[in-house]
Amino acid sequence: ETGVTQSPTHLIKTRGQQVTLRCSSQSGHNTVSWYQQALGQGPQFIFQYYREEENGRGNFPPRFSGLQFPNYSSELNVNALELDDSARYLCASSLQGFGPQHFGDGTRLSIL
Amino acid sequence: ELKVEQNPLFLSMQEGKNYTIYCNYSTTSDRLYWYRQDPGKSLESLFVLLSNGAVKQEGRLMASLDTKARLSTLHITAAVHDLSATYFCAVDMGRRDDKIIFGKGTRLHILP
Repeated sequence: ETGVTQSPTHLIKTRGQQVTLRCSSQSGHNTVSWYQQALGQGPQFIFQYYREEENGRGNFPPRFSGLQFPNYSSELNVNALELDDSARYLCASSLQGFGPQHFGDGTRLSIL
Repeated sequence: ELKVEQNPLFLSMQEGKNYTIYCNYSTTSDRLYWYRQDPGKSLESLFVLLSNGAVKQEGRLMASLDTKARLSTLHITAAVHDLSATYFCAVDMGRRDDKIIFGKGTRLHILP
């Protein structure tokens, strides 16, 4: 059973740039959720994708967008990066309606 | 808007002692999760609580859910140093609103 994998592990960008983060879900899982975790804080829900459609969204601006592909992998795109976007971004997969989410190791994004 | 509050946010205790972490949430929920996070690591699922009165135990950890009181507890029995970590509860709004809201976490430090 392959777990949730995320890439890259660490990324450095400057303000105003755009970034794409990637996530491969655990085999058998059809739902992917993305979270932002600032240092010392709990994860903040960004959005969830189920069957390639957004299935719930947290309080994040539209410059945070995502995709889910037919193989259930997912991307998180952030445009016009701001300093406050510096955080770890976690991806979690699950089987819709069942069980807990399984988290990847995250991508640490630093904005200079 | 759903709010999830954990207390305490920080706990330092000696090995062999018992303690309880509390998780209060503001609206009805379909399910509640407990996760563990070690520094610089991702989140590890500990428990999934699906119904009122649910109690689950794994080793020295026991979690319970009271949906009427909107309260979950994570009880630690005879703490050992290896349990030092940050513990998060997360509330799943389920079909009514596809969001999962995390508490701020309880940083547990167990002194040898």
